[in-house]
Amino acid sequence: EVHLVESGGGLVQPGGSLRLSCAASGFTFGTFTMNWVRQAPGRGLEWISFISSGSTTIYYVDSVKGRFTISRDNAKNSLYLQMNSLRDEDTAVYYCARSRPADGFDYWGQGTLVTVSS
Amino acid sequence: DIQMTQSPSSLSASVGDRVTVTCRASQSITSYLNWYQQKPGRAPNLLIYDASSLQSGVPSRFSGSGSGTDFTLTISSLQPEDFATYYCQQGYITPYTFGQGTKLEIK
Repeated sequence: EVHLVESGGGLVQPGGSLRLSCAASGFTFGTFTMNWVRQAPGRGLEWISFISSGSTTIYYVDSVKGRFTISRDNAKNSLYLQMNSLRDEDTAVYYCARSRPADGFDYWGQGTLVTVSS
Repeated sequence: DIQMTQSPSSLSASVGDRVTVTCRASQSITSYLNWYQQKPGRAPNLLIYDASSLQSGVPSRFSGSGSGTDFTLTISSLQPEDFATYYCQQGYITPYTFGQGTKLEIK
């Protein structure tokens, strides 16, 4: 059974940094593309980053470019999101999600809450 | 960026009703349209991919149609567990974008 488990969320001050992790199991992690999607409290879903299976292709939404870095370690079945220069508007639940080419996000983690506040 | 617009934003319906949610893209996305269901406090769940393909394990009362810019999600006979928020999402080009959501409530 496919499982994705996020960790690393918490309370951080504006301008601070946080590193999220997503541990994958139940599938051959190294053959799937992965994503981070976030959801601000009471709001809709926002895709923020994509990474190909071999890390050769990476995309970001404009609002996080230059501040967030997605990476993966296929040997450890893990996905990461390094978040720097955090802003109030980055407060959200962050989900990792597996994707199939153009066929949507078929498995999601339970999410980890990031709160940016002074 | 491609804007995804859902209608209605909220909808009240009864168990057994047939319900349709629409999603419009600001430009053609061919058939790269996915639908998700999200319940409070839970992660989204993929229902329909590629506009009309039913994700494994999803009940057959859910169906999707459309291509180009206009898409629909239909629930043929609402069940109590279907009351949730539904999102469309385009997978045509990054940034992948979602609709604002349609909250389906019990009448």
